[in-house]
Formats: sequence, C-alpha cells, structure tokens
Amino acid sequence: DSGVTQTPKHLITATGQRVTLRCSPRSGDLSVYWYQQSLDQGLQFLIQYYNGEERAKGNILERFSAQQFPDLHSELNLSSLELGDSALYFCASSVVGGSHEQYFGPGTRLTVT
Amino acid sequence: AQSVTQLGSHVSVSEGALVLLRCNYSSSVPPYLFWYVQYPNQGLQLLLKYTSAATLVKGINGFEAEFKKSETSFHLTKPSAHMSDAAEYFCAVSDNSGYSTLTFGKGTMLLVSP
Repeated sequence: DSGVTQTPKHLITATGQRVTLRCSPRSGDLSVYWYQQSLDQGLQFLIQYYNGEERAKGNILERFSAQQFPDLHSELNLSSLELGDSALYFCASSVVGGSHEQYFGPGTRLTVT
Repeated sequence: AQSVTQLGSHVSVSEGALVLLRCNYSSSVPPYLFWYVQYPNQGLQLLLKYTSAATLVKGINGFEAEFKKSETSFHLTKPSAHMSDAAEYFCAVSDNSGYSTLTFGKGTMLLVSP
C-alpha cells in the first residue's frame, strides 16, 4: 500500500458526459501528479500540483482540468468524454525535493461507452 | 527535454534465469532514474532509484540496476527470475528540477515460464 488513495476504482459513463476522479496523497506529500495510461499511448503525464498551485502541465487535453484543495487532495475533471478517453488514470504524490520518487495510487479505470 | 527508451516490449525468461531489462535515457542534466513495476490491475510500485550516489543500486525483490553515464543506460537485472516477477516494468527519468516530473518509457512486459 503506497498510502495514495483514489476513488472510484471503476467508472463507466457515456460519451459527452463529465466525471470527477479523486485522489488523496500520502500524508506529508505536497505534490500531486495525474497520469493517463492507455494501451496505445502508454503512461502519459497530465498535470502536477504543488500545495494547491499548478506546477507543470503535460499532455493534458483542454477538456480536462484538475485542482488541488487546501487539504491537499486533488480532483481530475474530465468533460465532453470521448471513447478515446477510456484509460486508467493514476494519481501519484511526492515530497518535493530530495530524491523525487513518486508514489502511485491504485488508479481509476474509466470506460466511456 | 528528457526521454527514456526501453528495448523490447516483451521479455521472456525461464524461472531461475537471469532477468535483464534494458533502459536508455536522454537528459541534458544529471538525471534521477527510477524503475517501477506494475502488476496486473494495480498501480505502479517503486522498485529502485538512482540519485547520483552509488552507481549500482539495489532495490526490492532482489532487483538491482547499474547507472552507466557513458552509455546513458540504467538496465535492470535480477540473477534468478521467479514466477512472481511476471509484471510490466517501467523505467523513468526525472527532470531534476524542484518539482520532479517523471518521463516514463513505454514499459517492458516480463514473462516468466516454469
């Protein structure tokens, strides 16, 4: 158990809909990262937050957005969903500085039908 | 920009045989390097990390990796494969900034046969 929690574990929704994925980082970690994992694209970095502020952006679509709240949990919002958005979405957290390792949650499997 | 190349999307070994998973990186600054393992339907678990201390890094489950700057490589090895090692393995490089985004390779699926 990495200490990172993600909910829900599975999500099935229809095209055009909007969903919210939730992540709670390890105790003491200030940085949260979101990744998308699919068979064709592999593991893609989406976005990073540090202590409530956006710090880095990767291959995140404009239909996707995220935020980190004062209690440090984070939410990833996916809107106008398309079939191609079906993937595993991982959250990771780290203590900024030091050896920079990230600890991953168990993921949310999103299926868009 | 950083990048990671993992040679071989699938590697097959027999139980008890040497495991060698290859990773080459590209980075304009001294990198931090990581190996993660992903078991089916699970998240990624950190196996080991290189952070500019010893070039030979020992990790969990008997795995180790050697950082070779001249070859820009960070290959993962285990002397004797076990059936429980069957999983997907990811090499990753950090951008070495204060906010540590990771760039992952495409992964290598390790298959272990009895």
